Amino acid sequence: QVQLVESGGGLVKPGGSLRLSCAASGFTFSDYYMSWIRQAPGKGLEWVSYISSSGSTIYYADSVKGRFTISRDNAKNSLYLQMNSLRAEDTAVYYCVTTVVHKSTGWFDPWGQGTLVTVSS
Amino acid sequence: SYVLTQPPSVSVAPGQTARITCGGNNIGSKSVHWYQQKPGQAPVLVVYDDSDRPSGIPERFSGSNSGNTATLTISRVEAGDEADYYCQVWDSSSDLNVVFGGGTKLTVL
Repeated sequence: QVQLVESGGGLVKPGGSLRLSCAASGFTFSDYYMSWIRQAPGKGLEWVSYISSSGSTIYYADSVKGRFTISRDNAKNSLYLQMNSLRAEDTAVYYCVTTVVHKSTGWFDPWGQGTLVTVSS
Repeated sequence: SYVLTQPPSVSVAPGQTARITCGGNNIGSKSVHWYQQKPGQAPVLVVYDDSDRPSGIPERFSGSNSGNTATLTISRVEAGDEADYYCQVWDSSSDLNVVFGGGTKLTVL
């Protein structure tokens, strides 16, 4: 079955960096668009970034643009999120999510279990 | 940027019908997707493209979208339906902008 397993979360100081990874299995990873979505403690969902199946098309939310970098390695069935210049407001559970794009819309299914990133001094 | 508005909470008795709304400017012109999130778990897609259900989602879950309001309807509500529900739209007219509603806590009385 489809499995998405995130890793790399943890405690980091403001201004620091962290790299999240997502290991995918149970499907042909290279055929699918992928995204990162985050959820601050007790808060709602916030889309962070999107990458096309080949990696040629990438988008970011304004809140992370210039600080975060999404990438993928289709040979390793892996998705990454490099996070630099981290701020307290980046504290959240980060989900790796398979993204379905159809005509002019897109949705997220399925989701990994998430990895917690805490930015604090 | 585009804003989706959901009521913070909805309460319903078991066996009754719950309706969770998602308001947005001319949302009827967009496709709306809905997610269920139980405490401590990742979200799960329950409705996509306004009214389609992924495999494995009970027929009790349905969706509609018109005008300025999209609605997730849960018929014959069960205790296990108690969760947070989020609506979502996708705007790729220029740069990509994915918007989630603030979420609605469904309480089964």
